[in-house]
Amino acid sequence: AQSVAQPEDQVNVAEGNPLTVKCTYSVSGNPYLFWYVQYPNRGLQFLLKYITGDNLVKGSYGFEAEFNKSQTSFHLKKPSALVSDSALYFCAVSPTGGFQKLVFGTGTRLLVSP
Amino acid sequence: EAGVAQSPRYKIIEKRQSVAFWCNPISGHATLYWYQQILGQGPKLLIQFQNNGVVDDSQLPKDRFSAERLKGVDSTLKIQPAKLEDSAVYLCASSSSPRDSYEQYFGPGTRLTVT
Repeated sequence: AQSVAQPEDQVNVAEGNPLTVKCTYSVSGNPYLFWYVQYPNRGLQFLLKYITGDNLVKGSYGFEAEFNKSQTSFHLKKPSALVSDSALYFCAVSPTGGFQKLVFGTGTRLLVSP
Repeated sequence: EAGVAQSPRYKIIEKRQSVAFWCNPISGHATLYWYQQILGQGPKLLIQFQNNGVVDDSQLPKDRFSAERLKGVDSTLKIQPAKLEDSAVYLCASSSSPRDSYEQYFGPGTRLTVT
């Protein structure tokens, strides 16, 4: 069965510094990987996805993620954090083929301080 | 385009009562999902519809939860009777096709509190 691990409950970073939110996955076959962001009292918003191709994928709001097959990781990154990036971030995985059931991690709260 | 709509946004009920949630997906989206998000956890898929047919309901507690998607558009999720552990945010999402898009668009959710 597929699963996602987000080892950090919270990540703290100062505004302007680079940020990384970690995600590792377990899935048979080639994974489809996603990052979603959740702001307070709002639904999840899609940030980016990896389906195939270039291991570095770029998404919304300046975020990017690097797919590393050997380490089964899909870490979310941003070169320069903004206070407005503070939110809850979820990594998700879906097996290839079939219907797109998403399995989410437990989430990482990102806190960007001024 | 209009996003996924859900109502109500908040609901408080006593245990053993029943409750229903409504979802209107993005126009033209064939696939609709209901997720349960318990505080401190990631969303968990309860049921997935393709048009008005059920694709996956393996994690739906069928003794108390039911869902339908009549005419392949709107959907309702019902809990009867509710338990304390059903307190959660219920998220509805839709996607244009299970293969073509891969992106799911989420509604704001319904926060259920069972007392």
